[in-house]
Amino acid sequence: AQTVTQSQPEMSVQEAETVTLSCTYDTSESDYYLFWYKQPPSRQMILVIRQEAYKQQNATENRFSVNFQKAAKSFSLKISDSQLGDAAMYFCAYQQGGSEKLVFGKGMKLTVNP
Amino acid sequence: DAGVIQSPRHEVTEMGQEVTLRCKPISGHNSLFWYRQTMMRGLELLIYFNNNVPIDDSGMPEDRFSAKMPNASFSTLKIQPSEPRDSAVYFCASSPLRVQGFETQYFGPGTRLLVL
Repeated sequence: AQTVTQSQPEMSVQEAETVTLSCTYDTSESDYYLFWYKQPPSRQMILVIRQEAYKQQNATENRFSVNFQKAAKSFSLKISDSQLGDAAMYFCAYQQGGSEKLVFGKGMKLTVNP
Repeated sequence: DAGVIQSPRHEVTEMGQEVTLRCKPISGHNSLFWYRQTMMRGLELLIYFNNNVPIDDSGMPEDRFSAKMPNASFSTLKIQPSEPRDSAVYFCASSPLRVQGFETQYFGPGTRLLVL
């Protein structure tokens, strides 16, 4: 079974600084997709960014970008110019190709200090 | 566009009572998912439907849990009888029907359930 590991339960960053959240996953499949979801105190799960495993180019969405290392099975999220509104729980998720099932990591709490 | 709608947002009940959680997916989405989030186990998929048909219910913890999707715009997750260990946040998510590749799942605000 696929697993997703977020080894850092908590991190903090100063406003306007850059922070990187780590995620590793375990799979024997070659066709899959990776996601980062954000969960602010409101509890709403919000998609931040997604990456198709077959794409070599790292995905970017404004201040959010990923470092996808397929061989190392690593999928880290970089947040540039951190803002107070970025404070939330962040979840890494895996979806196998041909399946609708998402497998989530345990999450990581990000604090942004003013 | 309205997102995924869940009701109630909070539910407090006593052990042994029946609990029904409701979900309205995004219009036009044909896949619907129920997740449970706890501190111990994180976010787990309970069951999902494609075109109102249950596809995978392997995550449903036991027979006390049941889910239905009578039409494309409504689903329920029922717990009967409820137990304190069912206390969690229950999320509903929907997505367009996946034909190939993947489709992004959009989550509702969740229902926080507390069973006393």
